Amino acid sequence: KAGVTQTPRYLIKTRGQQVTLSCSPISGHRSVSWYQQTPGQGLQFLFEYFSETQRNKGNFPGRFSGRQFSNSRSEMNVSTLELGDSALYLCASSSLAGVYNEQFFGPGTRLTVL
Amino acid sequence: AQSVAQPEDQVNVAEGNPLTVKCTYSVSGNPYLFWYVQYPNRGLQFLLKYITGDNLVKGSYGFEAEFNKSQTSFHLKKPSALVSDSALYFCAVRDIWKTSYDKVIFGPGTSLSVIP
Repeated sequence: KAGVTQTPRYLIKTRGQQVTLSCSPISGHRSVSWYQQTPGQGLQFLFEYFSETQRNKGNFPGRFSGRQFSNSRSEMNVSTLELGDSALYLCASSSLAGVYNEQFFGPGTRLTVL
Repeated sequence: AQSVAQPEDQVNVAEGNPLTVKCTYSVSGNPYLFWYVQYPNRGLQFLLKYITGDNLVKGSYGFEAEFNKSQTSFHLKKPSALVSDSALYFCAVRDIWKTSYDKVIFGPGTSLSVIP
């Protein structure tokens, strides 16, 4: 089985722009979660989608949004980028709903905001 | 709110020696606890979790973790360290907030170096 894939792997944007990141889960997995990893804040949970519905969310501003398609692929969007949004964004998939189940992580998208 | 701490930023151990990576937690109610590992330039990999049952949980790659309720700890252990175990290790706890949302809170991570 192919693992979780994330595209693009690297991205450079400037402040004020918006960005869309993509995640393809393991085949058959319907839960997709997103995380932000920074040196200062560590790993933080953004949100979880299951069967096209957001079922969990972390404590991030509304500039961070996501969606999930019928094929379970998920996109995350960040609008009005700030310097502090520079981070590694990780996507994880699971066969079951709920972030407390075993999750399989992708390699991440490294976003740099200039 | 729940929280998790990893008191050591860095742990060094000689190859073949036992290793321990420490984790303490603060939760209300019964804890859901996890260990993940992150190898350089790769995403996280699940190692093991504790929800209920035996205090000693066995996971992937020969790792195990001991749940200690009285000490609120969930230390990761391995009897004999390999150089390939060198990585960043994260302890995590499930948090339920705003009644209906749950998420996983990760500790700051502990960098493990296994010295040949």
